[in-house]
Amino acid sequence: QKEVEQDPGPLSVPEGAIVSLNCTYSNSAFQYFMWYRQYSRKGPELLMYTYSSGNKEDGRFTAQVDKSSKYISLFIRDSQPSDSATYLCAMLNTGANSKLTFGKGITLSVRP
Amino acid sequence: NAGVTQTPKFQVLKTGQSMTLQCAQDMNHNSMYWYRQDPGMGLRLIYYSASEGTTDKGEVPDGYNVSRLKKQNFLLGLESAAPSQTSVYFCASSYLDQAWSSYNEQFFGPGTRLTVL
Repeated sequence: QKEVEQDPGPLSVPEGAIVSLNCTYSNSAFQYFMWYRQYSRKGPELLMYTYSSGNKEDGRFTAQVDKSSKYISLFIRDSQPSDSATYLCAMLNTGANSKLTFGKGITLSVRP
Repeated sequence: NAGVTQTPKFQVLKTGQSMTLQCAQDMNHNSMYWYRQDPGMGLRLIYYSASEGTTDKGEVPDGYNVSRLKKQNFLLGLESAAPSQTSVYFCASSYLDQAWSSYNEQFFGPGTRLTVL
């Protein structure tokens, strides 16, 4: 089992839809959980990060972490065509054998 | 501020040729990283540098070398290019001089698209 698994997609939704993007992980040492957004032919940019379990909201975006289930989610409300991009989850273990591990990414297309 | 810049943007090599990918950052960041991104594989760390003059191997270092002689520059060398090194290469930087020991947001460059024939 890979340390971080992300639904491969692609995902296509109509404008205005609520989008749910998910990642699961197996390493219980992960402490920081991040979502990066990558537009076509661009570098990834940090969208949100969360420490430990809980929710974090930023405008139309909500990041959710459930450490007991080893599951993280990114929700996008009122999705817009400008949200069309690849979304990568990433997880950081800062303890022994510290490392940053990325999911493979899921490509989202929001249809006008 | 330009952030993280990479040159060249595109490159085509023949098998066996060598080249250097250049990365520069103007944010006074201490740590710098090289990743490759392949379809279905996600981002994989090649090498990183937690401070000027130091470098460490990442997940996929074979066939590459790096140099961090100046704080603002991180160079990635391909000694003898192979078709398996066809990929998109991203450089990133972060402020702290501890690459993984605490949260340390990484800022990415626009990428270099490399094809090895």
